[in-house]
Amino acid sequence: QQQVKQSPQSLIVQKGGIPIINCAYENTAFDYFPWYQQFPGKGPALLIAIRPDVSEKKEGRFTISFNKSAKQFSLHIMDSQPGDSATYFCAGSGGSNYKLTFGKGTLLTVNP
Amino acid sequence: DVKVTQSSRYLVKRTGEKVFLECVQDMDHENMFWYRQDPGLGLRLIYFSYDVKMKEKGDIPEGYSVSREKKERFSLILESASTNQTSMYLCASSSTVPHEQYFGPGTRLTVT
Repeated sequence: QQQVKQSPQSLIVQKGGIPIINCAYENTAFDYFPWYQQFPGKGPALLIAIRPDVSEKKEGRFTISFNKSAKQFSLHIMDSQPGDSATYFCAGSGGSNYKLTFGKGTLLTVNP
Repeated sequence: DVKVTQSSRYLVKRTGEKVFLECVQDMDHENMFWYRQDPGLGLRLIYFSYDVKMKEKGDIPEGYSVSREKKERFSLILESASTNQTSMYLCASSSTVPHEQYFGPGTRLTVT
């Protein structure tokens, strides 16, 4: 079974801090790496995604850094806010296979 | 806006009952997915379908079956519910390209 390993399992930061969530994948056929954000009582929603032809992608306060040789990617949240408190999932997908393989999730708490 | 709806937000069933979870998407997506979400285990794929009447097993298909008679509708069936199937069930859909999956709000199923 192809895995995506995500860490840490939980993370607490103060408002304005920069939480970083890391993921590592095994399947070298993966060519699409999304991050999903899930608030309590809601389904996950796509936050940002990257393909391995770039090393970094920014959307607002959210940045994905990608290291193809290490098979690792990470999510950085700049100037974090209490409203960013949620569970974050990384995932990988590749080729004609439309399945996403998810990490186990990181519960982020941003204190005011 | 893509909308994925699930028939129930909360469901309580007894052990041995047959349970139907319904999912409908309104974006003419080819692919549909059923996941279960459990604390510490992340999102695990039960079944997916890439076309009407087509289905493929995911990572944890045991104890479940699915039906896709129409493109917009994907049903998850628990033939004989057991207590270890108490979980949050999430439905998702995606088009062929890109691989972005859109999730429904989830059904929290309790089997007593």
